[in-house]
Amino acid sequence: EVQLVESGGGLVQPGGSLRLSCAASGFTFSDHYMDWVRQAPGKGLEWVGRIRNKANSYTTKYAASVQGRFSISRDDSKNSLYLQMNSLETDDTAVYHCARVSGNYVLDFWGQGTLVTVSS
Amino acid sequence: DIQMTQSPSSLSASVGDRVTITCRASQGIGNNLGWYQQKPGKAPKSLIYAASSLQSGVSSKFSGSGSGTDFTLTISSLQPEDSATYYCQQYNSYPVTFGGGTKVEI
Repeated sequence: EVQLVESGGGLVQPGGSLRLSCAASGFTFSDHYMDWVRQAPGKGLEWVGRIRNKANSYTTKYAASVQGRFSISRDDSKNSLYLQMNSLETDDTAVYHCARVSGNYVLDFWGQGTLVTVSS
Repeated sequence: DIQMTQSPSSLSASVGDRVTITCRASQGIGNNLGWYQQKPGKAPKSLIYAASSLQSGVSSKFSGSGSGTDFTLTISSLQPEDSATYYCQQYNSYPVTFGGGTKVEI
């Protein structure tokens, strides 16, 4: 069974940093691209970014709203995905989901998410 | 960026109704479109990929159609458990973008 479990969320002040983790199990993690998607309270889904697999040089793509502030990484030996968030803003307040990218490029499995609250 | 516009933003229908949700892309995306269902407090669930292909394990009452800029998601016979918000998503080009969502109430 595919499982994705996020952790690391919490309350942080504007300008602060936070690192989210996503623990994957039930599939060959190293084969897949992985995404982060966020959802502000009461709002829709917003794609944050993607990291490709080793075969594609672990290259990354980001939404313009987080480019330069957020960084996605992965550790295939630990079946883990990470989101380093710096210079956090109040608009970054959201539930952050990690998601597996299928061979068809849809997000076929999602974690439950971890809440990040940016507030003074 | 490609803008994805869903309509309606919400709808109310009865058990057994056939429901159609529309998604329009601001430029052509081929068939690089997915549909997701999200229930309150839950993670999104993938329903459809490549505009019309049913995800494994998903009920055949869900169907998708369209290509280019205009797409639809149809629920053939609405049931109480289908109460949720539905999102379309384009993955034709970066950044990946989602529609604003359609809230379906029974």
